[in-house]
Amino acid sequence: GNSVTQMEGPVTLSEEAFLTINCTYTATGYPSLFWYVQYPGEGLQLLLKATKADDKGSNKGFEATYRKETTSFHLEKGSVQVSDSAVYFCALLTDSWGKFQFGAGTQVVVTP
Amino acid sequence: NAGVMQNPRHLVRRRGQEARLRCSPMKGHSHVYWYRQLPEEGLKFMVYLQKENIIDESGMPKERFSAEFPKEGPSILRIQQVVRGDSAAYFCASSPDLVHGTEAFFGQGTRLTVV
Repeated sequence: GNSVTQMEGPVTLSEEAFLTINCTYTATGYPSLFWYVQYPGEGLQLLLKATKADDKGSNKGFEATYRKETTSFHLEKGSVQVSDSAVYFCALLTDSWGKFQFGAGTQVVVTP
Repeated sequence: NAGVMQNPRHLVRRRGQEARLRCSPMKGHSHVYWYRQLPEEGLKFMVYLQKENIIDESGMPKERFSAEFPKEGPSILRIQQVVRGDSAAYFCASSPDLVHGTEAFFGQGTRLTVV
């Protein structure tokens, strides 16, 4: 079956540090890959996505590249801010409709 | 264009009572999904609905849980005879016509607490 594995949190960083959150997946076919972010007390917001191999999604300084050979979609940001503190979810979509398979989420805490 | 609207945001129920969670999809979206997020866990798919039809309910518990998306009005997730283990955040998402890679748009969730 389909699955998504994320690195466990919490990840604690200082402001302006480099952030990487690892995400690997198992899926049949050719999934689309997503990163969602959840701020405290809020719902999920789409951060970025990639729909085919070698695509790079980017938004708000975050980037992730769809690597089919390593079945990975690692999230990176070069210089984090306190406002980036949130829970980040990696997800895949194999069907043509919204039955996402989510990872367990990685909490990121950025300190001043 | 308002986003996905869920209400209530917080709901407290005593064991044995019924919980009704409402979701209004984004304008123009005809596909609705419900997910459950247990404490310290990711989101688990529950059910996918289109207007007046349940398309996939493979993630729904077999008993006490039901969902509908009527022709008029919001989608409703109904939990009968709630138990402590039902305490969770319930998220609704919607999407427009089905195109490969189309993302779903999530509401802010209903946080159910069973006491």
